[in-house]
Amino acid sequence: KAGVTQTPRYLIKTRGQQVTLSCSPISGHRSVSWYQQTPGQGLQFLFEYFSETQRNKGNFPGRFSGRQFSNSRSEMNVSTLELGDSALYLCASSPWTRRETQYFGPGTRLLVL
Amino acid sequence: KNEVEQSPQNLTAQEGEFITINCSYSVGISALHWLQQHPGGGIVSLFMLSSGKKKHGRLIATINIQEKHSSLHITASHPRDSAVYICAVGVGGGADGLTFGKGTHLIIQP
Repeated sequence: KAGVTQTPRYLIKTRGQQVTLSCSPISGHRSVSWYQQTPGQGLQFLFEYFSETQRNKGNFPGRFSGRQFSNSRSEMNVSTLELGDSALYLCASSPWTRRETQYFGPGTRLLVL
Repeated sequence: KNEVEQSPQNLTAQEGEFITINCSYSVGISALHWLQQHPGGGIVSLFMLSSGKKKHGRLIATINIQEKHSSLHITASHPRDSAVYICAVGVGGGADGLTFGKGTHLIIQP
């Protein structure tokens, strides 16, 4: 099976812009979770989607949002970008829940200037 | 909120040494994950534990639920084991996502 894919891999944006990141899970996996990784805060949970519904959300402002499509592909959007949003954004998929083994994508590295 | 502490933060060892990385957490969990992250960012899930011990090749993970503690051991360490090892915990009931430790930077010198 193909692994988790994320696009784009690298992105440069300026403050105030918005960005959309995409994640395609392993075929058959229905749970997709998103994480942010920064040098200062480490890895932090953003949200989890299952069957097109957001099941859980981490402690991030409303500028961070996401959605999941019927084929389990997921997108996350960050509006009104801030310098502090510069990070590696990782998605991970699992068959049913994030409490199972998670399979991570390579990440999207976002730089906000 | 669960707090996850890992030790040591940094570890440099010689090839062949036995490595132990520790993880402690503050509240009860449903599962604990050990992750490996190589330079460049890719993360691989090594183990998911809810009790006892698991072994995969030269890697062994143990968890003590009563003491809220887990260890990751690497036997016969090799330079390719050099990576960041991250402990993450999940709370039962589906209320929260994973909470992560800060990671242990491991360097194995030839």
